[in-house]
Amino acid sequence: DSGVTQTPKHLITATGQRVTLRCSPRSGDLSVYWYQQSLDQGLQFLIQYYNGEERAKGNILERFSAQQFPDLHSELNLSSLELGDSALYFCASSVDGIHNSPLHFGNGTRLTVT
Amino acid sequence: GQQVMQIPQYQHVQEGEDFTTYCNSSTTLSNIQWYKQRPGGHPVFLIQLVKSGEVKKQKRLTFQFGEAKKNSSLHITATQTTDVGTYFCAGRYGNEKLTFGTGTRLTIIP
Repeated sequence: DSGVTQTPKHLITATGQRVTLRCSPRSGDLSVYWYQQSLDQGLQFLIQYYNGEERAKGNILERFSAQQFPDLHSELNLSSLELGDSALYFCASSVDGIHNSPLHFGNGTRLTVT
Repeated sequence: GQQVMQIPQYQHVQEGEDFTTYCNSSTTLSNIQWYKQRPGGHPVFLIQLVKSGEVKKQKRLTFQFGEAKKNSSLHITATQTTDVGTYFCAGRYGNEKLTFGTGTRLTIIP
């Protein structure tokens, strides 16, 4: 158990809809990262937050947004969903935001867009 | 942007054989991390290498960081069925975010 909690585990929705994925980092970790993993693909970095502030941005679509709240949990919002957005979305946390700490991944949310 | 190339993409080995996966970067990395993702699971941190030429061992796993800090390898001796999964390297350029390699999926033939 990594200590990172992601909900929900599975999500099935239709094209054009909007969903919110939730992540609670490990106790004591200040940084949260979001990654997308499509079938048999690698890990695509979406965005990173550190102590409530956006720290780094990757290949995140304009239809996607995220935030980190004062209690350090984070949400990833995906809107105007397309079939190609179907993927496994991982949240990871680390103790700091200086990029030298290991990442601890949650179990992921599997999103299916039909 | 910066890319970390990882090869091979797939590797099938007989149980007991050795396995190696390689990561290469065109520019110098500040450090590199390795992760393992079991089928149906999430990536789990294995190790971080920081120094030029660094070699670290974890039981049957040996990790190396090249002298120029542009490449790294993970070698597993005498593979076991528990080694099945996808191995990712993740390199860091300066103070930038981690860049994950494409992963090497290891399957073991009993």
